Amino acid sequence: EVQLVQSGAEVKKPGESLKISCKGSGYSFTSYWIGWVRQMPGKGLEWMGIIYPGDSDTRYSPSFQGQVTISADKSISTAYLQWSSLKASDTAMYYCARGPTYYYDSSGYYHLIQSGYTFFDYWGQGTLVTVSS
Amino acid sequence: EIVMTQSPATLSVSPGERATLSCRASQSVSSNLAWYQQKPGQAPRLLIYGASTRATGIPARFSGSGSGTEFTLTISSLQSEDFAVYYCQQYNNWPPSFTFGPGTKVDIK
Repeated sequence: EVQLVQSGAEVKKPGESLKISCKGSGYSFTSYWIGWVRQMPGKGLEWMGIIYPGDSDTRYSPSFQGQVTISADKSISTAYLQWSSLKASDTAMYYCARGPTYYYDSSGYYHLIQSGYTFFDYWGQGTLVTVSS
Repeated sequence: EIVMTQSPATLSVSPGERATLSCRASQSVSSNLAWYQQKPGQAPRLLIYGASTRATGIPARFSGSGSGTEFTLTISSLQSEDFAVYYCQQYNNWPPSFTFGPGTKVDIK
């Protein structure tokens, strides 16, 4: 069974650093992308960035470039999202999700997904990050 | 940069009725479009990818159609567990800043 298990909720002060985790199991961790998605309170989904644990290829949305760092340790099948200096506006739920590198459609045609720009077929349970003084 | 829009923002439907949700891209995304369902307090769940292929374990009452810039998610006969927010996502074009649509909330009429 494919599972992505995220670390627990965090309460931090502005300016503090934070690293949250996402552990994959039940599949080959190095053969799929892991993406991070932000959901601010009462709002929609925002694509933050993605990493391919097999070679650590990492892509960021322009909106999040320089604001966060995505990494992975394939030896323990775990991806990370970290901040060096949190702001109150970072208060949100953060989800990790698995991204396929290929798929077959309902007609049986093969589709290769390149550049890490993929959909997400399995999601973690989310990590709530609260930043408040 | 591609911007995704969804309509309506809220759809009020009675159980057993058909629900039709729309998703539009500001430029063509081919068939690289996914739909997700999110219930309160839960993570999103993949329903449809490749515009029309149901994900593993998704009931047949969910169907997706469209290509290019216009897409539709249809729920043929709404069940109580289908009341949720539905998001579309394009995965065709970079950058992904607005890859997800704003969502359509399906609530009980």
